[in-house]
Amino acid sequence: DAGVIQSPRHEVTEMGQEVTLRCKPISGHDYLFWYRQTMMRGLELLIYFNNNVPIDDSGMPEDRFSAKMPNASFSTLKIQPSEPRDSAVYFCASSPAGGLKETQYFGPGTRLLVL
Amino acid sequence: DAKTTQPPSMDCAEGRAANLPCNHSTISGNEYVYWYRQIHSQGPQYIIHGLKNNETNEMASLIITEDRKSSTLILPHATLRDTAVYYCIVSKRNSGNTPLVFGKGTRLSVIA
Repeated sequence: DAGVIQSPRHEVTEMGQEVTLRCKPISGHDYLFWYRQTMMRGLELLIYFNNNVPIDDSGMPEDRFSAKMPNASFSTLKIQPSEPRDSAVYFCASSPAGGLKETQYFGPGTRLLVL
Repeated sequence: DAKTTQPPSMDCAEGRAANLPCNHSTISGNEYVYWYRQIHSQGPQYIIHGLKNNETNEMASLIITEDRKSSTLILPHATLRDTAVYYCIVSKRNSGNTPLVFGKGTRLSVIA
């Protein structure tokens, strides 16, 4: 299996622009998680889905952030409009039915820089 | 989830055992101890987990005290590739209600 795939791997954009991060979970996995990592705040859980349905989005920082999972093999995290403080590494992770933590796998991350 | 306390950083000589401590004095009966690590610029990686008994796999050993209030992750023969941030997480096993939440972890530096 190719593992969790994220794109793009690097993104540089200007303040005010829309940014879309993409994630393809491992085939057959039912859970999908979005995390954000910064030096100041560490690894934070933003939102997670089960069977394409958002379960908990309490970690989404504000209305500028939105996440969707239109089908079992694809999810997006969108920031509109982007701000410099959104600069971070965004990780996507997935796990199979049952959601056992030892079976949660992370993608390589998207490094976002907002100028 | 129970809170964990880890030292911010540790050094270990290459080839020696690395012993990473974690305190979790408020752990409840159905919570597991999980260890993940994050090598620079990569996503976190699962290492090992346990409930009560000591556990060992190809990557590491996990020693949990009898009262379950603390644990130690042991990398038996640390290599330079083990340099990473190690996260100790106490949580229920199923992510359905309690997803993984990361603290600050311990930055382990393996020195040649």
